[in-house]
Amino acid sequence: ETGVTQTPRHLVMGMTNKKSLKCEQHLGHNAMYWYKQSAKKPLELMFVYSLEERVENNSVPSRFSPECPNSSHLFLHLHTLQPEDSALYLCASSQQLGREQYFGPGTRLTVT
Amino acid sequence: LAKTTQPISMDSYEGQEVNITCSHNNIATNDYITWYQQFPSQGPRFIIQGYKTKVTNEVASLFIPADRKSSTLSLPRVSLSDTAVYYCLPPYSSASKIIFGSGTRLSIRP
Repeated sequence: ETGVTQTPRHLVMGMTNKKSLKCEQHLGHNAMYWYKQSAKKPLELMFVYSLEERVENNSVPSRFSPECPNSSHLFLHLHTLQPEDSALYLCASSQQLGREQYFGPGTRLTVT
Repeated sequence: LAKTTQPISMDSYEGQEVNITCSHNNIATNDYITWYQQFPSQGPRFIIQGYKTKVTNEVASLFIPADRKSSTLSLPRVSLSDTAVYYCLPPYSSASKIIFGSGTRLSIRP
């Protein structure tokens, strides 16, 4: 257990659905991250939040919409996804930007 | 964006010492270097972090030369359970903007 939880662990959705991924960290950290990991590919940084402010949006399509209501919670809202968006979505947190990251177990997303 | 460079794969045997080197030419002055371990379908797990010279913990050692353009993760006496992908990464900073590379897939044999 890393102190970072993600729900759901598995999600299957159609291209017209709207769903949200949730991440919660119990470590008192101030920075949170969303990553995408496709099969046999490196981790891709999507979004970075520091003290609830977005500091990085790494050219992510608008069908992915992050939300950070407080320093412990991070959401990724999904709508009109494509099959190529199927991947493992990982959330991470760190004490502050520049410190080591602690990852959650990920959400395995399948878009049909 | 800059990218770290590591060997794609390495093989070793139980009980051996394994050294994995990573190059990170564009690391920012204030960045620490962090290594992670990832098993299939799991999130990466923090192993060790350092800034320069040598750092050791109960799991591994990290060697960083004076120019800090590379680092070497050393795993003493590996076991089958050390089979995983290992990533090096400077922690995210707006100065570095370094992305995860492909990592090194380490396979340990009996």
